[in-house]
Parts: sequence; structure tokens; C-alpha cells
Amino acid sequence: DARVTQTPRHKVTEMGQEVTMRCQPILGHNTVFWYRQTMMQGLELLAYFRNRAPLDDSGMPKDRFSAEMPDATLATLKIQPSEPRDSAVYFCASGQTSGTGTGELFFGEGSRLTVL
Amino acid sequence: RKEVEQDPGPFNVPEGATVAFNCTYSNSASQSFFWYRQDCRKEPKLLMSVYSSGNEDGRFTAQLNRASQYISLLIRDSKLSDSATYLCVVKEDTGRRALTFGSGTRLQVQP
Repeated sequence: DARVTQTPRHKVTEMGQEVTMRCQPILGHNTVFWYRQTMMQGLELLAYFRNRAPLDDSGMPKDRFSAEMPDATLATLKIQPSEPRDSAVYFCASGQTSGTGTGELFFGEGSRLTVL
Repeated sequence: RKEVEQDPGPFNVPEGATVAFNCTYSNSASQSFFWYRQDCRKEPKLLMSVYSSGNEDGRFTAQLNRASQYISLLIRDSKLSDSATYLCVVKEDTGRRALTFGSGTRLQVQP
């Protein structure tokens, strides 16, 4: 059963530390998304890749966040340095778009980050 | 103003009740619409797409009103297992925009 895999599932770190989250999208999917979810803001788009090219990272604080897809099987989201306000659940999702597109995104189980 | 707005709820309803959620969107260029469901501490999952003519999937009915820019979800004969957060999602079909999620409406079905 194909699924999006995210690591780590949980991370507790201290302010100022670097955090790297990883995602393995479903094989064959050409779009990958990073979302952040908090109680206050709901699901916010951080970055969006299609065929490994970044299409939209306007929701991502550029000074401390970076997102990459070094290959089709791996997407990374890095925070350096981390701050307490970065505490949230970070979801990776993948999908297959073509022509008019499809709305179904398959989400990973999320990485729950706590920055002390 | 948020691009996609939903009443956060919670909607507390008894089993067997009919409940409806609305969602409004601000971008008239939005072309595709969906409802996702998110259980507590879990990831969102697609519940159903929303078609212009309205569509039904078992106890769930989705409607789209483009003129007023709102989407609705109706759940009939509520079950305890329907308790979750329902996320309204819109997409511009220009290619560069990703899905935009509403903050969700929480439903609690009570015995």
C-alpha cells in the first residue's frame, strides 16, 4: 500500500538548533508539498514542488527555512536556526497532476516539532 | 481576509442528525473544490471532490455555488465515526498554485 513517509515523527529540540525533516513521496507522484499546521493558523503551505522544481515557496520564511528535492524519492525541509514559534506539525504530501490537475493529495503522518 | 473561510465549530450533534457545513472562498479564479477529513492527531485525507452540479457519496452531499463563492457539505444520519475536522479545499487550475486549505470545521457526533 503506497504511502508518503515522513521522518522524524516527533522531534524536540532547543531554540537555535538545526532541524531537518525528510519525506519520501509516493513513487510516481510528480508534486510534493510541505504544509505546517498549528491550532491557530490551520494548514499553511510552505513549499510546493513539481517534477522536483520549486513552484511556490512564498509561504516559507526564507531567512531560516529551506526546502529541497535532491531526487525524486526525497524531499527535505530544514529550519536553521529553529525558534519556539516553529513548533507545529509539518506535513508532507504528494500527488499526481496532469492537464487540468487532480485535487487528491496523499499526506504523510506528519512530523511533530517542539522547539523549547 | 483568508482565501478560504470556515466556521471552526465545534458542531455538536446527536447520532442520526443531519448537519451541514459551509465554506466561502475569495478567489474567483478557483476552479477545483474538495472536502478533506482530518481525524484528531492524524493527517488529512480526501473525503470527496465537489462538482459544479453537486454530487453525493452515500450519506455525504457536496454542493458548489460559484456565484456566491461557497461550498457546502451535508452529512445525513450522522455516525459517531463522522467525528472529525472537515477541511474545505480550493485550487486554481493555473498550475502554479497549490491547494489552499480552510482551517476546518470540527464535528462532534454524540451518542
